[in-house]
Amino acid sequence: GQNIDQPTEMTATEGAIVQINCTYQTSGFNGLFWYQQHAGEAPTFLSYNVLDGLEEKGRFSSFLSRSKGYSYLLLKELQMKDSASYLCAVRDSNYKLSFGAGTTVTVRA
Amino acid sequence: IAGITQAPTSQILAAGRRMTLRCTQDMRHNAMYWYRQDLGLGLRLIHYSNTAGTTGKGEVPDGYSVSRANTDDFPLTLASAVPSQTSVYFCASSEQGETGELFFGEGSRLTVL
Repeated sequence: GQNIDQPTEMTATEGAIVQINCTYQTSGFNGLFWYQQHAGEAPTFLSYNVLDGLEEKGRFSSFLSRSKGYSYLLLKELQMKDSASYLCAVRDSNYKLSFGAGTTVTVRA
Repeated sequence: IAGITQAPTSQILAAGRRMTLRCTQDMRHNAMYWYRQDLGLGLRLIHYSNTAGTTGKGEVPDGYSVSRANTDDFPLTLASAVPSQTSVYFCASSEQGETGELFFGEGSRLTVL
């Protein structure tokens, strides 16, 4: 099974940078995902890492270290619309995705 | 518009009643999933199906059943609803390839009284 930990809440100022950490323990790692979920809406895909290193996609970057069971999502140049919950998810060798409880990010003006 | 359709979007149900949540996708994805989302617990996998004709149990399968008669449909049934099944239910699908990202439906909010 999976054990996925991420902080419950984070607050940052518009224009700033925020880093959301995720640690996991898994039997059969087959990829790590980050999803964004606005209140009352469905989760939407942000990023995917299966090899160690940094994946950059515009203002969002995601990092993975498989040996440490660690990932982070970096949000740069924060905008008010980035206020949402960010979900770390780990996929196992059977292609099942397990989610952390999510980190609620609040962006303040 | 391609995607996943869930129905109903919201339902209030008396305890002991039977309820089926419907899920249909038109992306021809092999895999489909049902998750429930509860405050502080995140998304938890109930049941999944890697391909039509097969299903598997997730993390919290008790009290739920699913079927996968064809590629497009993946209904979730609560045989006898209990208040602890009050939750938001999300159906998702994926193509089990390199990325295999999940595409989610809009969710079904179920309240069991």
